[in-house]
Amino acid sequence: DVKVTQSSRYLVKRTGEKVFLECVQDMDHENMFWYRQDPGLGLRLIYFSYDVKMKEKGDIPEGYSVSREKKERFSLILESASTNQTSMYLCASSLEGTVRSYTFGSGTRLTVV
Amino acid sequence: AQSVTQPDIHITVSEGASLELRCNYSYGATPYLFWYVQSPGQGLQLLLKYFSGDTLVQGIKGFEAEFKRSQSSFNLRKPSVHWSDAAEYFCAVVYNQGGKLIFGQGTELSVKP
Repeated sequence: DVKVTQSSRYLVKRTGEKVFLECVQDMDHENMFWYRQDPGLGLRLIYFSYDVKMKEKGDIPEGYSVSREKKERFSLILESASTNQTSMYLCASSLEGTVRSYTFGSGTRLTVV
Repeated sequence: AQSVTQPDIHITVSEGASLELRCNYSYGATPYLFWYVQSPGQGLQLLLKYFSGDTLVQGIKGFEAEFKRSQSSFNLRKPSVHWSDAAEYFCAVVYNQGGKLIFGQGTELSVKP
């Protein structure tokens, strides 16, 4: 089975800190995605990447950046964490050219205090 | 913009009763449609998906969904709800293979004895 692993299940950071959320997939998927999940808002796409060193903005990229130096790893970066970035963050991957293989990680619950 | 709407934020049904969760997507050619479930503290689990062909699709846990192009809908149904079905349900759509998955706001299902 494809596995998408998010390095931290729970994270508490201080306002203004630089925060890195890591995501690794083990099935050679080209596409990787970062979502945030908030009650009543569903999952909203922050950034996605179709290939190494490529990135595209999703619906809510403000305050975030991403890095994809290797195919299997997609990092979400909060340059200066703020309390309104307290949320559940979900990473996903999929195989290029198919809709059959979206796989999600278990999520990282980030609290910014 | 491409979007998915789940009109019901919260639904309560009695155990054994039938269930229908609504999902509407914005107009687009050849949508690929998904339903996911998320139990408390758990990750996203794929219930079913529609790509083409028969518009009534069967999923896991006794769920089914019907694609109606004329209504831009993909409603999820279950004939008899079990207490373990209490969870949050997300409808999602993608418009090109391997592309970004767009989620609805989610519907929280409560099941009363």
